[in-house]
Amino acid sequence: AQRVTQPEKLLSVFKGAPVELKCNYSYSGSPELFWYVQYSRQRLQLLLRHISRESIKGFTADLNKGETSFHLKKPFAQEEDSAMYYCALSGGNTGGFKTIFGAGTRLFVKA
Amino acid sequence: GAGVSQSPRYKVAKRGQDVALRCDPISGHVSLFWYQQALGQGPEFLTYFQNEAQLDKSGLPSDRFFAERPEGSVSTLKIQRTQQEDSAVYLCASQGLSEKLFFGSGTQLSVL
Repeated sequence: AQRVTQPEKLLSVFKGAPVELKCNYSYSGSPELFWYVQYSRQRLQLLLRHISRESIKGFTADLNKGETSFHLKKPFAQEEDSAMYYCALSGGNTGGFKTIFGAGTRLFVKA
Repeated sequence: GAGVSQSPRYKVAKRGQDVALRCDPISGHVSLFWYQQALGQGPEFLTYFQNEAQLDKSGLPSDRFFAERPEGSVSTLKIQRTQQEDSAVYLCASQGLSEKLFFGSGTQLSVL
């Protein structure tokens, strides 16, 4: 069964500290992995996707198929990074089109 | 339009009442999804359309939930005989050629 697990509901770090939001997944095929972010009073939006191998707002995420993980990292957290982060998985064209989400991690960056 | 539009933004319903939630996707987006997000949880998949065809409705929690997209554009999610457990934010998302989902602001449904 498809499943996305985000073990931390809340992560609190100081400004300038490194941050890592954990995500583990369960999927039998070759999924596409995403991180979505929701800032206060804004709609849910895509932050990055593994297939793009890009860094957005200083965040990166590496897909580790052996550990079935897709952790989100940033070396130096900023106050404006405070938001709700959701890891998500899609089966793509062969695995079904729906995207499933984890429960989310609230990141709080303290001044 | 500039993005995915959902209405109403808030809906309060008495238990047993029927409600209809509307989603206007980004023009030209073929795929449309509905999600239910309970307080403190991530979005839970409800149903998916490709144009007017409903290809997956495996996430609809009961036969009280019904979705349609008759002309392949605007979609309506209808909940009949609402129950308190239906209280949640209902999110609509549309998708173009990439896997990226564009979300609306959601409809917050409160069933009293």
